[in-house]
Amino acid sequence: KAGVTQTPRYLIKTRGQQVTLSCSPISGHRSVSWYQQTPGQGLQFLFEYFSETQRNKGNFPGRFSGRQFSNSRSEMNVSTLELGDSALYLCASSLVGHVTDTQYFGPGTRLTVL
Amino acid sequence: EDKVVQSPLSLVVHEGDTVTLNCSYEVTNFRSLLWYKQEKKAPTFLFMLTSSGIEKKSGRLSSILDKKELFSILNITATQTGDSAVYLCASIAGGTSYGKLTFGQGTILTVHP
Repeated sequence: KAGVTQTPRYLIKTRGQQVTLSCSPISGHRSVSWYQQTPGQGLQFLFEYFSETQRNKGNFPGRFSGRQFSNSRSEMNVSTLELGDSALYLCASSLVGHVTDTQYFGPGTRLTVL
Repeated sequence: EDKVVQSPLSLVVHEGDTVTLNCSYEVTNFRSLLWYKQEKKAPTFLFMLTSSGIEKKSGRLSSILDKKELFSILNITATQTGDSAVYLCASIAGGTSYGKLTFGQGTILTVHP
């Protein structure tokens, strides 16, 4: 079974631009969670989607948004990029996002903001 | 706010040594604790623990959860250079915390030949 895939793997943007990252979950998984990983803050939860609905959101500004499509693929968007948005963005999928569901991670998208 | 703390933050050992990694948590409505190994990019799943006192084991790795004292340990016996990685523990809470893992800072393990 194919794992979680993320595209693109690397991105370089400049301040003020916007960016869209994509995540395709494991086949049959309907919950997708997004995380930001930085050396200073570690892995932090951004948001979770299930059946095209955002069910949970972390403490990030409104510049960070996402959506999920009917095939469970998810995208996240960051508008008006800041230098501090440089990070590894990871998505993880699970069956339905239940507390006993294991989350499996994709390889991540490395975003560099210049 | 939920909190997960790992110790030590880094550890250097030689092949063949046994290591113990610690993870303590303060999580409202705690349900599960997970361990991941992160080498270059994606964290890879190791264990999920939901019941206290039950050891999960996979080869040289094992883990146990103590829900009374609010901590978990990950043991690696007969370490190999391939065990060098960042080990992350994460908690899951119940209620409306759908799909949210709260991570510790990670323990950087370096195994020298």
